[in-house]
Amino acid sequence: AQKVTQAQTEISVVEKEDVTLDCVYETRDTTYYLFWYKQPPSGELVFLIRRNSFDEQNEISGRYSWNFQKSTSSFNFTITASQVVDSAVYFCLHAGGTSYGKLTFGQGTILTVHP
Amino acid sequence: DTGVSQDPRHKITKRGQNVTFRCDPISEHNRLYWYRQTLGQGPEFLTYFQNEAQLEKSRLLSDRFSAERPKGSFSTLEIQRTEQGDSAMYLCASSLLSGGLTDTQYFGPGTRLTVL
Repeated sequence: AQKVTQAQTEISVVEKEDVTLDCVYETRDTTYYLFWYKQPPSGELVFLIRRNSFDEQNEISGRYSWNFQKSTSSFNFTITASQVVDSAVYFCLHAGGTSYGKLTFGQGTILTVHP
Repeated sequence: DTGVSQDPRHKITKRGQNVTFRCDPISEHNRLYWYRQTLGQGPEFLTYFQNEAQLEKSRLLSDRFSAERPKGSFSTLEIQRTEQGDSAMYLCASSLLSGGLTDTQYFGPGTRLTVL
């Protein structure tokens, strides 16, 4: 069975600091997808990034970047120059199984960015 | 904006009553998912549909929970004989599966259920 662990329960930073959110997963699937979502105080989950297991190229998109390491089953997410509006709960999602229908979220990391 | 919509946004019911929630996905999306989220936890996957077919339902929490997507468009989630432990946010998401590759799930605002 899949398992997703976000060991950081809460992170607090000051505006403009860089912050990295950790995600470690367990899976028996050879192919799978990984996602990061943000849940602001309004409650609606917002898609941020996704990565498939067969492409380990790490990318940068604006202030967001991610580091996918299949060998260590980690999919870490970095926000550069954090802003107060980045304050939210961040979730890592693993999609595996037949037709990628087995879906497992991590417990979430609460990020607070102080002005 | 034609994002995922859910109705109602809030539902208060008494223990033992049945409740039904509706989800309207993004129009061209063929996959629809249901999740439950309790306070301080990540969303917990319940079930999903590809068009009309319910492809995964083993994670529905009990036989009191059922979901339908009769015409491959909107979906309903029903909870029978509600219990206080059913109080949670129920989230719906949709995606477009194309060429065997999964696509991104887009979430609705959720239905908050309170069972008294």
